[in-house]
Amino acid sequence: QSVLTQPPSVSAAPGQTVTISCSGGDSSIDNNYVSWYQHLPGTAPKLLIYENDQRPSGIPDRFSGSKSGTSATLAITGLQTGDEADYYCGTWDSSLISGVFGGGTKLTVL
Amino acid sequence: EVQLLESGGGLEQPGGSLRLACAASGFTFHSYAMNWVRQAPGKGLEWVSSISGSGITTYYADSVKGRFTISRDNSKNTLYLQMNSLRADDTAVYFCAKDANFWSGAYFDYWGQGTLVTVSS
Repeated sequence: QSVLTQPPSVSAAPGQTVTISCSGGDSSIDNNYVSWYQHLPGTAPKLLIYENDQRPSGIPDRFSGSKSGTSATLAITGLQTGDEADYYCGTWDSSLISGVFGGGTKLTVL
Repeated sequence: EVQLLESGGGLEQPGGSLRLACAASGFTFHSYAMNWVRQAPGKGLEWVSSISGSGITTYYADSVKGRFTISRDNSKNTLYLQMNSLRADDTAVYFCAKDANFWSGAYFDYWGQGTLVTVSS
């Protein structure tokens, strides 16, 4: 069982907006930055969001992140079929003294 | 261009050992912490271990503590993971991931393609 909790799956139609939640605790999300990764099977995971809400260069502004207390959210607007992938939140857990990921959310673009 | 190339995966029997390597290029290797992250078949990402840029500080997931050892050779720009006492539940694709800072615990800005480790008799 993952330290961070994500919904197993979300779906929406092309052009719509979807949000993916990530819930943790005081020693993880509440006191550390959250990052988000996109992973297509058989490929290298890709950084989408770092430090809660920052986008690396080359990531479209359709992807955005936010954090409040012990939860974080990834929002994807203007959904495209190419966005179908698994999405993971991650952070450092100050109590476990380890990196932690959410269980992953599979995004389906209907 | 940052490149991370893992090697050393394969089939090993329970109780056996493997050493993974990750050859890095395109950045100042000794200036960044490095990590191993794995994904078991049908499962999500699991952080395994991290090492600071100098190699002095290391961290491990409870699931591998005492069995796996992370190390780095900054003269060769290479990260290693020595895996001993392998178990069936260590079967996974192992990714090498660059940390964004010298010290562990930031975020993973670049990842390798992964190397498959299968533990089975």
